[in-house]
Amino acid sequence: QKEVEQNSGPLSVPEGAIASLNCTYSDRGSQSFFWYRQYSGKSPELIMSIYSNGDKEDGRFTAQLNKASQYVSLLIRDSQPSDSATYLCAVNYGNQFYFGTGTSLTVIP
Amino acid sequence: DGGITQSPKYLFRKEGQNVTLSCEQNLNHDAMYWYRQDPGQGLRLIYYSQIVNDFQKGDIAEGYSVSREKKESFPLTVTSAQKNPTAFYLCASSFGVLYNEQFFGPGTRLTVL
Repeated sequence: QKEVEQNSGPLSVPEGAIASLNCTYSDRGSQSFFWYRQYSGKSPELIMSIYSNGDKEDGRFTAQLNKASQYVSLLIRDSQPSDSATYLCAVNYGNQFYFGTGTSLTVIP
Repeated sequence: DGGITQSPKYLFRKEGQNVTLSCEQNLNHDAMYWYRQDPGQGLRLIYYSQIVNDFQKGDIAEGYSVSREKKESFPLTVTSAQKNPTAFYLCASSFGVLYNEQFFGPGTRLTVL
């Protein structure tokens, strides 16, 4: 069974702070990594994809990948109350994606 | 508008009944997927399809069936053999299977009465 582990949370940060979400995975053969945001009762929405070691920035979001450590993270700068959601890490293994159980983030105004 | 649609949004089923969940996409994606999400758990893959008339079992296929007769459509049938079908069902699609981002429909919430 492929494992995708996320920090358990829930995570609370004040508005304007940096939120840091972490994910580890078990299979070194994984090639692609994704972060989804899921609001309560809604379907997941793709935020970031990352395929190479290093950082990838998109607006207030930065994804970081370290394949040697089998670790991928998501940083949210200048956190807003609208960022309050569950964040899912997904890892591609062969023909399938595996998802972590998610980290719940609350941004406190 | 391009996107993925799922219907119905809510579905109630009596025990012993089969029900079919609809998933349609107009994104010209080749691959389509069905996931199940239970409270406090991640998404678990039920079935996926890379091309028309071909599909593969995921980790929890027992009690489910699918068809892929058209590129745009990938319906999921929840059979009476599925012991605990109450869950949030999500359909997704992507251009291909490897390296490709998956996009999700709005989901169907199934409740067994």
